[in-house]
Amino acid sequence: GAVVSQHPSWVICKSGTSVKIECRSLDFQATTMFWYRQFPKQSLMLMATSNEGSKATYEQGVEKDKFLINHASLTLSTLTVTSAHPEDSSFYICSATQGGGSYNEQFFGPGTRLTVL
Amino acid sequence: AQSVTQPDIHITVSEGASLELRCNYSYGATPYLFWYVQSPGQGLQLLLKYFSGDTLVQGIKGFEAEFKRSQSSFNLRKPSVHWSDAAEYFCAVGAYGATNKLIFGTGTLLAVQP
Repeated sequence: GAVVSQHPSWVICKSGTSVKIECRSLDFQATTMFWYRQFPKQSLMLMATSNEGSKATYEQGVEKDKFLINHASLTLSTLTVTSAHPEDSSFYICSATQGGGSYNEQFFGPGTRLTVL
Repeated sequence: AQSVTQPDIHITVSEGASLELRCNYSYGATPYLFWYVQSPGQGLQLLLKYFSGDTLVQGIKGFEAEFKRSQSSFNLRKPSVHWSDAAEYFCAVGAYGATNKLIFGTGTLLAVQP
């Protein structure tokens, strides 16, 4: 149980184009989803927290208009990198929580490797 | 502010040897603590977690960790390392409340020599 998928697993795009990454909870309803960014050989940096049906909460320094997050249903959140540039190349990982407890474990997706040429 | 420090960026051990990965945290109260493992190009897998109670926590794959409040540490241990344990290991501290955020350490890359 508690499986999270991401699609695509890797994507290569040209500079200036937009890329959408999907994060799905396959066997549970995710009240909250998180988006992380990981640079090579570095740790995960939280980008934003999204709750179903409401606007995402972005961490300080993350451009809201650059990284659009939509959490339209309890099983799907999307991250759109708009007008991507080479510096946006990174490994993007999502996680999801089921909710309802004092602390809710995050279940992680396998990640999406984005390369912007 | 919460923070997590993993002092060792890279560790190499021989297969069959014991392992200890260090983690120190900064938090105003008793934290929720986690250890995750990440294989190359993959997401994160939870090894173990500490919320309360017994300070020695058992996890998957033969790993254990001990919470020491006096030292603000949550070190990960394994008595005998296998080649398949080679990966990146992240310690994380969780925030209470509705946000459920995780703050990650910088990670320790484990290499296993035959």
